[in-house]
Amino acid sequence: QQQVKQSPQSLIVQKGGISIINCAYENTAFDYFPWYQQFPGKGPALLIAIRPDVSEKKEGRFTISFNKSAKQFSLHIMDSQPGDSATYFCAASMQNSWGKLQFGAGTQVVVTP
Amino acid sequence: SQTIHQWPATLVQPVGSPLSLECTVEGTSNPNLYWYRQAAGRGLQLLFYSVGIGQISSEVPQNLSASRPQDRQFILSSKKLLLSDSGFYLCAWTLQGVGEAFFGQGTRLTVV
Repeated sequence: QQQVKQSPQSLIVQKGGISIINCAYENTAFDYFPWYQQFPGKGPALLIAIRPDVSEKKEGRFTISFNKSAKQFSLHIMDSQPGDSATYFCAASMQNSWGKLQFGAGTQVVVTP
Repeated sequence: SQTIHQWPATLVQPVGSPLSLECTVEGTSNPNLYWYRQAAGRGLQLLFYSVGIGQISSEVPQNLSASRPQDRQFILSSKKLLLSDSGFYLCAWTLQGVGEAFFGQGTRLTVV
């Protein structure tokens, strides 16, 4: 069964708007929560990642919010740009096995001009 | 800096034919290596991982196998492809157990 559930499946946002993608997990042994960005025909690229000892991490226009008690985390893309149009995946993995990732199903984000 | 290479980029193979996909990593030693598969419109699923030469762990039962003949080389193989083997195959590496996973550019496999 899918251990990381991601929503929405797709998202359309206007340029300058905020994109919000949510993920939920069940396994409390997960220790590392990255977000990947994937363009068509390319491999996913690490965008930002968080550990459960912090509730928020910001890098430029990208912010991860993490709620350990709810077992949820989300990605916020501020001031969305057309170049942000891509598929975004959340993932989770366990301590000392960061490469053994459980991925969400992905969210296709389209930023309109 | 570290780089990861995968080839070929695209491949069309008939059902029943063999498969060999190769992945190499440059600029690091003793990486952990991973093979993932991405079905159309889906997330990535871990197929195999390796923590060292000759050490392979399989995550899901399937028609595929993996080998690691050299420290920075990871190979995905099949003796006879099935239609269900079609997908986007991605190789990734981490610095041993702890570190971000970096992905290659993938191989689009279509079995016809």
